Amino acid sequence: EDQVTQSPEALRLQEGESSSLNCSYTVSGLRGLFWYRQDPGKGPEFLFTLYSAGEEKEKERLKATLTKKESFLHITAPKPEDSATYLCAVRDNNDMRFGAGTRLTVKP
Amino acid sequence: DAGITQSPRHKVTETGTPVTLRCHQTENHRYMYWYRQDPGHGLRLIHYSYGVKDTDKGEVSDGYSVSRSKTEDFLLTLESATSSQTSVYFCAISEGSLGTEAFFGQGTRLTVV
Repeated sequence: EDQVTQSPEALRLQEGESSSLNCSYTVSGLRGLFWYRQDPGKGPEFLFTLYSAGEEKEKERLKATLTKKESFLHITAPKPEDSATYLCAVRDNNDMRFGAGTRLTVKP
Repeated sequence: DAGITQSPRHKVTETGTPVTLRCHQTENHRYMYWYRQDPGHGLRLIHYSYGVKDTDKGEVSDGYSVSRSKTEDFLLTLESATSSQTSVYFCAISEGSLGTEAFFGQGTRLTVV
C-alpha cells in the first residue's frame, strides 16, 4: 500500500539552529511531492511542489529537495515565526496522500 | 488568502442525524475537494469534484456524499452521522487536477455526540 511517513513527529529548535524534516514515501508512479505549512486552527498553506529526483526549490529560509525515496525540508536559521506543522503529500497515478506532519517549534 | 469560505466553522450534532457542510469559492477554480484531518492520520481525501455535477470518491468516502450544482459551491453530506466522523473537515480548491497547488479553507470542526 502507498505510504507517506514524516519524521520526526515533533522538533524543537532554538532560533538560528538549522535542521531538516524528512518525508519518505512508497508510491508507484510519483506524479508530484508537495510541502504545506499549517498553523494551529488554520488550513494548510502551499509551499512547494517537486516532480523529479534531484529537483530543489527554495523560499526564504526553506529549501525542499527530492530523491527517489524521500524528500527533505531544510530550515536554515529558523525564526519563531517558522513554528508550525509541516505537511508532506504525494501524488501518484490515482491518489493524493498526506503524511501526518512534523510539528516544528522554534524558541527565541 | 484564496477566496474559500467553509460553513459552519463549528458544529456539534447527535449520532444518526444528517449533516451538511458547505464550501464556497470565489476563485472560479475547476477542482474542489473535501478532506478530513485526524490526529496521527494526516489529511485524507473524502471526495472531489472536477466540474459541475462531476464528482469522484477519495480514500475515505464511505458514509459521505457530495454535490456540486454550481462552480462555486461544493457540499459534503453525512447522511447519518457517527462518532467516527468527528473530525476537522477541510475544503480545498485548485485550478489543475488532483495534486496541483491547492488552496485550503479554514476548516470545520465537527463533533458527533
